[in-house]
Amino acid sequence: KQEVTQIPAALSVPEGENLVLNCSFTDSAIYNLQWFRQDPGKGLTSLLLIQSSQREQTSGRLNASLDKSSGRSTLYIAASQPGDSATYLCAVAGNMLTFGGGTRLMVKP
Amino acid sequence: KAGVTQTPRYLIKTRGQQVTLSCSPISGHRSVSWYQQTPGQGLQFLFEYFSETQRNKGNFPGRFSGRQFSNSRSEMNVSTLELGDSALYLCASNHGIGGRNTGELFFGEGSRLTVL
Repeated sequence: KQEVTQIPAALSVPEGENLVLNCSFTDSAIYNLQWFRQDPGKGLTSLLLIQSSQREQTSGRLNASLDKSSGRSTLYIAASQPGDSATYLCAVAGNMLTFGGGTRLMVKP
Repeated sequence: KAGVTQTPRYLIKTRGQQVTLSCSPISGHRSVSWYQQTPGQGLQFLFEYFSETQRNKGNFPGRFSGRQFSNSRSEMNVSTLELGDSALYLCASNHGIGGRNTGELFFGEGSRLTVL
């Protein structure tokens, strides 16, 4: 059974910092890994999708990497802004879609 | 292009009642999947429908059911509601081509169910 862990569970940083969110998974037989952001009480917004054959994807200030062999993905956020404050979730797509518990990010002005 | 639409956004039910939630996927998407989100359990997969057929199912009791119509719209039903069914129910769509779980997921805003 796939298990997905996100560390840290919560993170508070001052505006402008670069930061890394981590996602680890136990079964490397995956189709893809997707990063989402969720604002309180809202649905999930897709940030980046990395196919199993890819190593990384970039969108604006966001960069996500995938290392299937070690069961790890990282989401790098450059020059963080208060508007980046949200919960970030990774979802690993194998036979089932399995979500991590999320990292709650607060960026202080 | 319209996103994923879920209705109703909020609802309150009492124990023992049943509830039906609706999801309209992005135009052209044939796969709809449903998730339950609670503070204690996080996001958990309920089931996925593709071209009116259930293609995958999570580990939930038979009180949770769903269906998909020919226009790809989907409904999920929860019968005999329990207090523990209080949650945010999220629906996601993707093109569904190439097999399950292979495409990018797009989520709706969710239906928040409170069971009293």
